[in-house]
Amino acid sequence: EAGVTQSPTHLIKTRGQQVTLRCSPISGHTSVYWYQQALGLGLQFLLWYDEGEERNRGNFPPRFSGRQFPNYSSELNVNALELEDSALYLCASSFGQGAGSNQPQHFGDGTRLSIL
Amino acid sequence: AQTVTQSQPEMSVQEAETVTLSCTYDTSESDYYLFWYKQPPSRQMILVIRQEAYKQQNATENRFSVNFQKAAKSFSLKISDSQLGDAAMYFCAYRSPNFGNEKLTFGTGTRLTIIP
Repeated sequence: EAGVTQSPTHLIKTRGQQVTLRCSPISGHTSVYWYQQALGLGLQFLLWYDEGEERNRGNFPPRFSGRQFPNYSSELNVNALELEDSALYLCASSFGQGAGSNQPQHFGDGTRLSIL
Repeated sequence: AQTVTQSQPEMSVQEAETVTLSCTYDTSESDYYLFWYKQPPSRQMILVIRQEAYKQQNATENRFSVNFQKAAKSFSLKISDSQLGDAAMYFCAYRSPNFGNEKLTFGTGTRLTIIP
């Protein structure tokens, strides 16, 4: 069974540009989570999508946004990139709310975003 | 808001020995879920073990076990018979049982080195 897949693996952008990161969840999972892992800051929760709806977002500015498609894959968009957006962006998936909240999240390999 | 603290930024252990990684958390909730994740240099976050707070019995997965002390809000990870493949960053994580709050809150991690 395929795990969570993310693309691309690495991106280099400059300040002010926009970027889109992609995530495909494990088959059968309807929830997708996005986390930012910046150097020295640990993992910070960004966004959670379930059944196509945004369910919760972390303490990030509105230029971080995303969406979930009918096939449960997801995109994370970051506009007006800043130097501090350089980080590893991790996507995770799990069974949805109806399956109970003890469902673990399974992570992808991440996308390394570097801002020059 | 919940917080998770890992007070050991780095730990090392001789191969085949036992090591314990510490984690404490702060919450006002009576029921919740706790996880340990491992992140090797390949950067994928791998679920190691999980514990439901309502269960008094400590979780065990092969060489990995936890010491869950609910009153003390402590959740340590014990790795027995350490192997070279155990070298990684280890993250402790908390998850609320409440719908709409399924995000993981992570500690800052402990880097584990295995000495041959």
